[in-house]
Amino acid sequence: DAGVTQSPTHLIKTRGQQVTLRCSPKSGHDTVSWYQQALGQGPQFIFQYYEEEERQRGNFPDRFSGHQFPNYSSELNVNALLLGDSALYLCASSPGERSTDTQYFGPGTRLTVL
Amino acid sequence: GQNIDQPTEMTATEGAIVQINCTYQTSGFNGLFWYQQHAGEAPTFLSYNVLDGLEEKGRFSSFLSRSKGYSYLLLKELQMKDSASYLCAATEAGSYQLTFGKGTKLSVIP
Repeated sequence: DAGVTQSPTHLIKTRGQQVTLRCSPKSGHDTVSWYQQALGQGPQFIFQYYEEEERQRGNFPDRFSGHQFPNYSSELNVNALLLGDSALYLCASSPGERSTDTQYFGPGTRLTVL
Repeated sequence: GQNIDQPTEMTATEGAIVQINCTYQTSGFNGLFWYQQHAGEAPTFLSYNVLDGLEEKGRFSSFLSRSKGYSYLLLKELQMKDSASYLCAATEAGSYQLTFGKGTKLSVIP
């Protein structure tokens, strides 16, 4: 049973570019959340997708957008990259619609913006 | 909004017991998660507390006091592989996000 998978593992971009990160949830999970984790910090919630809709959004600018596909996989898009966007981007999946469902994390994508 | 506090770093000896504390201030508190994160890896789920009291899972136990806004993670019989960051995360009623503390980096020494 595959866990949460993310691609790519690492990515290097320059300021102003755009990036797309991908996530496949754990089997049986239909909810995907995205988090940004800066070095030495805890993960910060970006948004959550359920039934192909953005259900909740954290305190991130509109440059951060996402999508969920019918097979529950998800993409995170970041436009007009800034140096401060350099971080580990984590995808987490959960099995249902309850806010108390445990979220299971993927290995992350390390984004470096030069 | 929520505020989660935990110590930045702790050091403990192999075979010993260590307690990692977490305090939270939140409106509409729902429950508290603990995750373990090895350097460069994904956070892995350890425990979830919604009711007051102690939950035990093998060498790891987690405690919650809702009235005090306080939780701790207790690790017994420490092993070198327990060296990692430990993240506490609170959930809020009606919200789907996890709000994390900055994490406690635990170093286990021989």
